[in-house]
Amino acid sequence: DAGITQSPRHKVTETGTPVTLRCHQTENHRYMYWYRQDPGHGLRLIHYSYGVKDTDKGEVSDGYSVSRSKTEDFLLTLESATSSQTSVYFCAISSSGLNEQYFGPGTRLTVT
Amino acid sequence: QQPVQSPQAVILREGEDAVINCSSSKALYSVHWYRQKHGEAPVFLMILLKGGEQKGHEKISASFNEKKQQSSLYLTASQLSYSGTYFCGTELTNDYKLSFGAGTTVTVRA
Repeated sequence: DAGITQSPRHKVTETGTPVTLRCHQTENHRYMYWYRQDPGHGLRLIHYSYGVKDTDKGEVSDGYSVSRSKTEDFLLTLESATSSQTSVYFCAISSSGLNEQYFGPGTRLTVT
Repeated sequence: QQPVQSPQAVILREGEDAVINCSSSKALYSVHWYRQKHGEAPVFLMILLKGGEQKGHEKISASFNEKKQQSSLYLTASQLSYSGTYFCGTELTNDYKLSFGAGTTVTVRA
């Protein structure tokens, strides 16, 4: 299994509070991704990174920001959490090549 | 743009076959297939590049029809372990970004 962890695994927070999710990899892969998964929508790309300090938006990036200061860590921040951001968040990694993506275990976030 | 998967759900008995389709309105560079079991992370199955190749993983294979911008996943002689939700992910160019379909839930019963 790819060495990829996410923290926290579960979080309950209140509307309006900031939240940061962490993705950590030990594979030294170049590409890292944040997805959210909601019933009926599959996996939707929030942001991705193609190198240290190199990031770009996905299809559902509003309300989210990311940072990648080291190869191994990719942070997802919700500046002011809303109930619509209640979801399961997956991080994924990929090396250069055919873009086979390996997913972390996920973080279940509930915004009340 | 999100690809369209069909059917949304399928129920099989062990040993039966099934086909899952994934269609795009745009020209594709590649199609990826993943399987996710309940409460777990998606797991990579296979990638198909444009060119109409077919690949296999155990008794699961897939094809990519470049002209139709469609990929099909074939579950042959299904086993209980094949139960889960199957997602296709499509790449329009070699830009390392995937758009995933909504998923097809497969239930295999004894």
